[in-house]
Amino acid sequence: EPEVTQTPSHQVTQMGQEVILRCVPISNHLYFYWYRQILGQKVEFLVSFYNNEISEKSEIFDDQFSVERPDGSNFTLKIRSTKLEDSAMYFCASSGPVGEKLFFGSGTQLSVL
Amino acid sequence: SQQGEEDPQALSIQEGENATMNCSYKTSINNLQWYRQNSGRGLVHLILIRSNEREKHSGRLRVTLDTSKKSSSLLITASRAADTASYFCATDVDSSYKLIFGSGTRLLVRP
Repeated sequence: EPEVTQTPSHQVTQMGQEVILRCVPISNHLYFYWYRQILGQKVEFLVSFYNNEISEKSEIFDDQFSVERPDGSNFTLKIRSTKLEDSAMYFCASSGPVGEKLFFGSGTQLSVL
Repeated sequence: SQQGEEDPQALSIQEGENATMNCSYKTSINNLQWYRQNSGRGLVHLILIRSNEREKHSGRLRVTLDTSKKSSSLLITASRAADTASYFCATDVDSSYKLIFGSGTRLLVRP
C-alpha cells in the first residue's frame, strides 16, 4: 500500500529556534494535513491544504506556523520560533477526495528544550 | 463535551472476548471513521461509515452509527493480543476540510 513518509522521525531543538518538518504525501492525493498529538492526549487538527493554499486551520495554527508545498511532492510544516509547548508528535496525512480516509505518516517527535 | 468523545477511556479484556468502544459527537456529519494507533506510531484507518448508513462490517470489525443519537460504536470480535492499541473515532463535519478526532479508547487485550 502507498505510504506517507515523514522526516525526521525525531527532532530536538532549542526554544526560539525554527524547525521544518517534512512530509511526502501519497503521490496522487490532493488534500494534505498536519495534526499533532501531545503525549497521551488527543490528536489535534492543525491545518489542511488543497490546491496550493490553506483550506482550513485551527486556533493552534497561529502566525508562528506555516505550510508549504515547495516542489509538488514535499509538504512542509515550519514553526518559526518554537516554544516549550510545541513539544509533541506531529503527523502529516493525505487523502484523495476530501473527507475520505486519511493516510498518516509515522510522525515526527518534536522536543523543544 | 467536545466533538468526538469515546468511552470508555480504557478497556482491558481477555483474548477471545469482544471489545466495544463508543463515540459521541455533537454536530451533523458526512461520515464517521475509526482509526487505530499503536503506541507512539501513526494512525491507521480501519473503517468509514457514511451518515446514511447504519451498520458496516470489515473482518472482525463491526461499526454502527446512530445519527439521531449522534453516536457510533466499534465492536471488535474475538479479540487478539495484537489488537492492543488506542482506537479513535473521527468525524467529517459538513463543509469542513478536516477530520476531528475524539479522545480515544486505550484497549488492552490480555493473552
